[in-house]
Parts: sequence; structure tokens; C-alpha cells
Amino acid sequence: QSALTQPASVSGSPGQSITISCTGTSSDVGGYNYVSWYQQHPGKAPKLMIYEVSNRPSGVSYRFSGSKSGNTASLTISGLLAEDEADYYCGSYTSSSILVFGGGTKLTVL
Amino acid sequence: EAQLVESGGGLVQPGGSLKLSCVASGFTFSGSAMHWVRQASGKGLEWVGRIRSKPNNYATAYAASVTGRFTISRDDSKNTAFLQMNSLKTEDTAVYYCTNGMDVWGQGTTVTVSS
Repeated sequence: QSALTQPASVSGSPGQSITISCTGTSSDVGGYNYVSWYQQHPGKAPKLMIYEVSNRPSGVSYRFSGSKSGNTASLTISGLLAEDEADYYCGSYTSSSILVFGGGTKLTVL
Repeated sequence: EAQLVESGGGLVQPGGSLKLSCVASGFTFSGSAMHWVRQASGKGLEWVGRIRSKPNNYATAYAASVTGRFTISRDDSKNTAFLQMNSLKTEDTAVYYCTNGMDVWGQGTTVTVSS
């Protein structure tokens, strides 16, 4: 199972919005609404930010939103804050009920 | 509060074995599939494998990189999942996380394979 494709890095200034893409295939991202997004700060475990494409867990800021079109999912962070600087990973369930992750995107808040 | 706590990591020589444990609390462990995910230093997340729940016959699946060497099991009476790792290679060196595949992740346990 190939990894999902994410940009290696994105950056934005405080207050701006950024979008991270996650491209897969019809066997994972495109075939199911089970795309999740994780935030990971250095030395910490991943934290779920978005599940099932566009749902936010309790406690996650409204500034985080998710969407999907075809085989590509996207995470948008609006009103960037310094604390948003982290690595972001997309993940998707596949037809075999296994998980596949993207390679990760490093977000830099300028 | 839902929580997962891994243990069992350490230093092992190439070709050796190690068994990781993951103890769950605060959610219905027996009804949850459990996954193991690893992360080598400075690298991304890599899915290792999963075990489904009893209604799904405890079905397991593994990444190609560990198939035949790693085995996932669970003891629902103890709310614990296990990752048995055999024939370890230097490239298996990583932090190993257990997760319910969604919102609950452990803090990770470090496995170092080195002579």
C-alpha cells in the first residue's frame, strides 16, 4: 500500500490561512470518507484534528477544517497562530480496513 | 478519559525479539480495532498493523515491511494489545505507538535495534 502524497512543507504568516493537500487513490482517499488529519509537535504523539474528512473532535479549534474532492483531501487552517507550527499527517482507511498515512507536512508560521 | 499506555521498548540486537504491550483505559477496548504505528527518528508515520475486534474474528493485517516477522494479538480481559516483533532489523528502530486508529494514541515506546 503506497503512502498518501502531501507537500513536504507549507508556511504562512500569523492570521493567514493555509491549506495542506493529501492525494491518494480510489482505494483509499477517494473511495471512503475515512480521512483523518493529525497534528504532531516535536517529541509528542500525534493528535487527531479532523476525522471522517471534515469532522472536528471536541476541543479542536474551529480554525481547523477538512474537505475532499475526488482522490484529494485537504486540511485548511485559518487565522494561523504560532502554536499551529507542527507536522501534519493525513491518514485514510483503505478497502482492507488498514491505515495508510501521508508523508507529513511541516507547517512553519513565519 | 481515554488512554493508551505502551511499554516494552528497549535496545535489542539485530535478529532479536521484543514484545510491546499497550494497556487501554477509558473506552470500550473490546469493541475497538487496535493499530500499531511507528515513527523512525525524523521520519513520518508508518502503519505497522492492526487487529480487529472479536465480532470481526480478531482479524489481523500487516504492512509489507513487517509481514512474517511481527504479530499483533490482544487480551480483551486485560484491555491489552501486544506487538510481538521477531527477526528485528536495524530499520525497525523507531518509536512505536498504539492507537485505536482514530482519536486515542499512546505516548509511544522506543525500540532500538543495534549491535
